[in-house]
Amino acid sequence: DTEVTQTPKHLVMGMTNKKSLKCEQHMGHRAMYWYKQKAKKPPELMFVYSYEKLSINESVPSRFSPECPNSSLLNLHLHALQPEDSALYLCASSQDRDTNQPQHFGDGTRLSIL
Amino acid sequence: AQKVTQAQTEISVVEKEDVTLDCVYETRDTTYYLFWYKQPPSGELVFLIRRNSFDEQNEISGRYSWNFQKSTSSFNFTITASQVVDSAVYFCALSVTNSGGYQKVTFGTGTKLQVIP
Repeated sequence: DTEVTQTPKHLVMGMTNKKSLKCEQHMGHRAMYWYKQKAKKPPELMFVYSYEKLSINESVPSRFSPECPNSSLLNLHLHALQPEDSALYLCASSQDRDTNQPQHFGDGTRLSIL
Repeated sequence: AQKVTQAQTEISVVEKEDVTLDCVYETRDTTYYLFWYKQPPSGELVFLIRRNSFDEQNEISGRYSWNFQKSTSSFNFTITASQVVDSAVYFCALSVTNSGGYQKVTFGTGTKLQVIP
C-alpha cells in the first residue's frame, strides 16, 4: 500500500463534465505535487504546493484548477477537458520543498476524456 | 537547463541474469540530487535511492546497486539476479533548486525492463 492515496483510480468523463481528483497523505509532508503522465512518457510537473500555498504552476491550462484544503489534502478540479488531457495523473508529496527530499507518489488516477 | 538521458528504451533479460540501466545527466549546478524510481504497471512511482552530488560512494541494497560517477555524469543502476517482479519502467531523475528556492525535478524518459521467466 502506498502512503499517498489517490481517488478515484479510474475516471471517464465527457468534455463538458466537472470532476475532481483527490489526493491524501498522512506523513506530515508540507510539499505536494500534481504530475501528468502520458503513456510511455515521464511524469510532467503541473503544480507544486508548499505549506498549503500554490508555489509553482507550470503554465497549466485553466481547465485544471488545484486546491489544497489542508496540509494533508490536495485536489485537482477538472472542467471542460479535452481528449488530449487523457493521461495518468499522479500526486506526490515530500517532507518540504528542498531538493534532498524524495517525493512519494500515489498510484495515480487514469483519466479518459470522451 | 537540466537534462537526464536514459538511452535504453526497453531491455529484456531472462530471469537470474544481471542487468544495468544507464543514466546520464546534465546540469550546471554544483549541488544536485539524483534519484531512481520504479514504476510497475499499477502506476505508482516507487522511490529506490537518492544520491547527492557530493557523495560518490557506490551503494548496494540487496540485489540493487548504484554506480555514481561525476566524471562521466552517470548514475547507473544494476539489478543482480533479476526476478520477474523487477519488470517495470525505471526512471532516473535529477533534482536542483530553482531560482525560487523550490525543488525542480527532471525525469529521464524511462527504461522499460522485462524479466522473462
